[in-house]
Amino acid sequence: NAGVTQTPKFRVLKTGQSMTLLCAQDMNHEYMYWYRQDPGMGLRLIHYSVGEGTTAKGEVPDGYNVSRLKKQNFLLGLESAAPSQTSVYFCASSPGQNTGELFFGEGSRLTVL
Amino acid sequence: DQQVKQNSPSLSVQEGRISILNCDYTNSMFDYFLWYKKYPAEGPTFLISISSIKDKNEDGRFTVFLNKSAKHLSLHIVPSQPGDSAVYFCAARPMNRDDKIIFGKGTRLHILP
Repeated sequence: NAGVTQTPKFRVLKTGQSMTLLCAQDMNHEYMYWYRQDPGMGLRLIHYSVGEGTTAKGEVPDGYNVSRLKKQNFLLGLESAAPSQTSVYFCASSPGQNTGELFFGEGSRLTVL
Repeated sequence: DQQVKQNSPSLSVQEGRISILNCDYTNSMFDYFLWYKKYPAEGPTFLISISSIKDKNEDGRFTVFLNKSAKHLSLHIVPSQPGDSAVYFCAARPMNRDDKIIFGKGTRLHILP
């Protein structure tokens, strides 16, 4: 049972390059989220989706785009990477908002030079 | 303005003793509080939660206490074990389901042999 899978696990980019992080979940969850974790900052919500075809902005959405074309996948895109986007990115999913319990992926470490 | 605060970045506790992790919140409109545990190079995992209508929830060695009048919750781990060394995030779910779960910055717990 894979749960939430993120690819790639590691990536180094140069400033201005673009890339996409893929999140896949096999639990048939409706809700999916992208967070970033920075030292001393905790987990900050970038974008989220409450169902296939829907997306919404979180706390720190600037510089990122997302798409949820299929229920099981949630893509996070960086169109023009900046050093400030160096971070560890976590995808999460949940069946709904009954309790607030989220299931996280293992994380993707992104470095922008 | 931080709505969920974990004021201790780190905590060291002797193995076998009690670990107490604290969390304060500023918004009375949260109805569910959660604790997540995170090991290095892994995603956070759900540990325990408590509804705002309760003041205590226990699960094995883990107990969460909620003091609504003080807007304070704490996680007690008894007895502490080496495997408990991790970062612990406090999180709160707003009553308004349009608002997303808010995480604290985390407390790193070190269990000393």
